[in-house]
Amino acid sequence: DVKVTQSSRYLVKRTGEKVFLECVQDMDHENMFWYRQDPGLGLRLIYFSYDVKMKEKGDIPEGYSVSREKKERFSLILESASTNQTSMYLCASSAAGVEGNEQFFGPGTRLTVL
Amino acid sequence: ELKVEQNPLFLSMQEGKNYTIYCNYSTTSDRLYWYRQDPGKSLESLFVLLSNGAVKQEGRLMASLDTKARLSTLHITAAVHDLSATYFCAVGETSGSRLTFGEGTQLTVNP
Repeated sequence: DVKVTQSSRYLVKRTGEKVFLECVQDMDHENMFWYRQDPGLGLRLIYFSYDVKMKEKGDIPEGYSVSREKKERFSLILESASTNQTSMYLCASSAAGVEGNEQFFGPGTRLTVL
Repeated sequence: ELKVEQNPLFLSMQEGKNYTIYCNYSTTSDRLYWYRQDPGKSLESLFVLLSNGAVKQEGRLMASLDTKARLSTLHITAAVHDLSATYFCAVGETSGSRLTFGEGTQLTVNP
């Protein structure tokens, strides 16, 4: 089974802190994604990556950066956390060149910024 | 820009009834996915539909895809309480691996 894990289920940070959210997948997937989910707004893509050291902006990249130094790990970084970044963050991965490119999701990190 | 719309957004059903959730999308695609999300949990893949006319069934849920109409349906047969969840459809872009998600349909099945 595909397994996507995220470093924390719940996280509380203060405004201005630098925050790291980690995501690891164990199925050798090329593609990895970071979404945030907010009530009434659905899932919105923040950043994604097709390969190691490659990154692409999604629909709402402002205030975020990412790092992909190893194939299995994709990190989301909030350089200076703000209260409007309080949200559920979901990581996903998918295989390239496989029919369907189905995305598999991690359990999510609920981040609260005070 | 690809847009995906689901309706209804909220659905309250009685056990034993049938209903359909609709997913419309704005540009050409032949990849459509249905996910389920329980409260406080992540998304679980339900169906992957990859061609016009594709139909897949699992238990009381059946999903279909009409790429000409840019429409997918998720049909619920004889609903049971365990089906209460939020259901998302997601559409794949014509190139690349990005998905665009609908707003989700919050389904509540009442005894």
